[in-house]
Amino acid sequence: GQNIDQPTEMTATEGAIVQINCTYQTSGFNGLFWYQQHAGEAPTFLSYNVLDGLEEKGRFSSFLSRSKGYSYLLLKELQMKDSASYLCAVLDSNYQLIWGAGTKLIIKP
Amino acid sequence: GAVVSQHPSWVICKSGTSVKIECRSLDFQATTMFWYRQFPKQSLMLMATSNEGSKATYEQGVEKDKFLINHASLTLSTLTVTSAHPEDSSFYICSAGTGNIEQFFGPGTRLTVL
Repeated sequence: GQNIDQPTEMTATEGAIVQINCTYQTSGFNGLFWYQQHAGEAPTFLSYNVLDGLEEKGRFSSFLSRSKGYSYLLLKELQMKDSASYLCAVLDSNYQLIWGAGTKLIIKP
Repeated sequence: GAVVSQHPSWVICKSGTSVKIECRSLDFQATTMFWYRQFPKQSLMLMATSNEGSKATYEQGVEKDKFLINHASLTLSTLTVTSAHPEDSSFYICSAGTGNIEQFFGPGTRLTVL
């Protein structure tokens, strides 16, 4: 079966750095997405990785290792507004998005 | 660019009634639209995929006669929850794609069935 694993909840301090991991087992791979979702709102796009390596975009970076079925989202200089759920999703061989359950990130002052 | 709207943003209805949710791509033509459902503290669950002018493809376990999807144009898709029951209460989110990799999400519709 297809499976996406990510931690249920993480806590970090304002101004710090946090890494949210995601491992996946899917039928085929056409890329991995990270989305941010605030409570009661729809997901917003953060990043898309299809090749191995690190993609940096401002305070957020995303890493992918296809051989390990592994990705992480790195958030730097955390702000209170970064408190949200972070969803990892993989595009499988049928170009269907397989979603993880999301990681709820709690930022403390 | 790539804005998707949903209407209504929230709706409360009585059990047994039907509710229609609209999803519109405002500044682009969406060849494919996706309908998701999300229960509290859970991830998005794909309900169905629809292409303009053709019948929707429903995921396993989703009743096509209960969740009617119409994708009449490249900018509009509708989801009708027929004979809604309290267990249908959820957050319904649509997304639109142009054939590329990315999907653009609407703001979601919160449905509460009394």
